[in-house]
Amino acid sequence: AQTVTQSQPEMSVQEAETVTLSCTYDTSESDYYLFWYKQPPSRQMILVIRQEAYKQQNATENRFSVNFQKAAKSFSLKISDSQLGDAAMYFCAYRRGNNDMRFGAGTRLTVKP
Amino acid sequence: GAVVSQHPSWVICKSGTSVKIECRSLDFQATTMFWYRQFPKQSLMLMATSNEGSKATYEQGVEKDKFLINHASLTLSTLTVTSAHPEDSSFYICSAGQPPQETQYFGPGTRLLVL
Repeated sequence: AQTVTQSQPEMSVQEAETVTLSCTYDTSESDYYLFWYKQPPSRQMILVIRQEAYKQQNATENRFSVNFQKAAKSFSLKISDSQLGDAAMYFCAYRRGNNDMRFGAGTRLTVKP
Repeated sequence: GAVVSQHPSWVICKSGTSVKIECRSLDFQATTMFWYRQFPKQSLMLMATSNEGSKATYEQGVEKDKFLINHASLTLSTLTVTSAHPEDSSFYICSAGQPPQETQYFGPGTRLLVL
């Protein structure tokens, strides 16, 4: 079974600084997708960034980027120039094909002004 | 981007009654939708996979007769909580994939409170 682990229950960052959220996963598959979702207090799940496992290049989306290490099964999210609006729960997720997503336990990010 | 809606956004009901939650993909067709449950300060737990035109696939431990899922069309899936009890109070979220479907888009969720 695929499992996703987020070892940081809470993280804090100063506004305008950079923070990295960690995620590891366990799978025997070679073809899959990885995602980071953001869940603000409204509880709406918002896609932050996604990575296809077959791509070696790390995905980037504006201030958000990932460090994808396939051999190590690691998928960390870097948030640059942190903004107050980045404060939320962040979930790492794994998906194989059209199957369901498996989520990590989440990391609560606080942004200090 | 793809938009998924849910209705109602929140509902309060008496114990023993049934509640129906709708999940719609507004600008795309979804042959598969997923239903999740989320308790406060916890992650999303998959309840079932809703398949258009066929029976839903339930996760282990989820009661099929209690959580009825109907995927009536390519844009609509419904979750009915039958004979609801206070322990069914939770946040229910649906998701649907826009082709090629590996990315899931989530509805805004439904808060259910059973008194």
